[in-house]
Amino acid sequence: AAGVIQSPRHLIKEKRETATLKCYPIPRHDTVYWYQQGPGQDPQFLISFYEKMQSDKGSIPDRFSAQQFSDYHSELNMSSLELGDSALYFCASSSTGWSNTGELFFGEGSRLTVL
Amino acid sequence: AQRVTQPEKLLSVFKGAPVELKCNYSYSGSPELFWYVQYSRQRLQLLLRHISRESIKGFTADLNKGETSFHLKKPFAQEEDSAMYYCAPEMGSSNTGKLIFGQGTTLQVKP
Repeated sequence: AAGVIQSPRHLIKEKRETATLKCYPIPRHDTVYWYQQGPGQDPQFLISFYEKMQSDKGSIPDRFSAQQFSDYHSELNMSSLELGDSALYFCASSSTGWSNTGELFFGEGSRLTVL
Repeated sequence: AQRVTQPEKLLSVFKGAPVELKCNYSYSGSPELFWYVQYSRQRLQLLLRHISRESIKGFTADLNKGETSFHLKKPFAQEEDSAMYYCAPEMGSSNTGKLIFGQGTTLQVKP
């Protein structure tokens, strides 16, 4: 079965550079979530989108922005990268349809290293 | 502040022993509660959800509103249960997907 796909899986950037992470949700899932997991930390909710509109916002820095496109894939843009942005970025998707169980389906994550 | 505490970073047991992974949360209201699991080299996946009251892979979780706890239990651990387990209440109204993850507990089941 198709799962949530994230790309790239690994990314190395220098400080002050920009990075873009992509997330392709499970087909027919209309909601996408982004989480950040720093080294030794628990995953932190960043932002979510439902039907291409931002639905919720968590601890996402102002340097970051995200959007969901018409094909439901989402991109997380990170600018002026800092060392502290080094983390594993998870994307998850869910469906709000009648069979919604509240379950989030996670991707394998994109590991960003800022040097 | 909304918080989730999983006091044990590592729990090591022998195969066949009972397992209890502790989770305490502080959250105003009545959040929906989940346990997610991450097996080695696999993605994070749902183990069980409180509202469904199911037993998944022999695991159950009891909600104690008085103690604000949602401990995960299994009477007889198996080697394939070795994984990282996250307790995750859901913020806001139902099905928002905004999970507050605990620090995670690594369960190691020895043969």
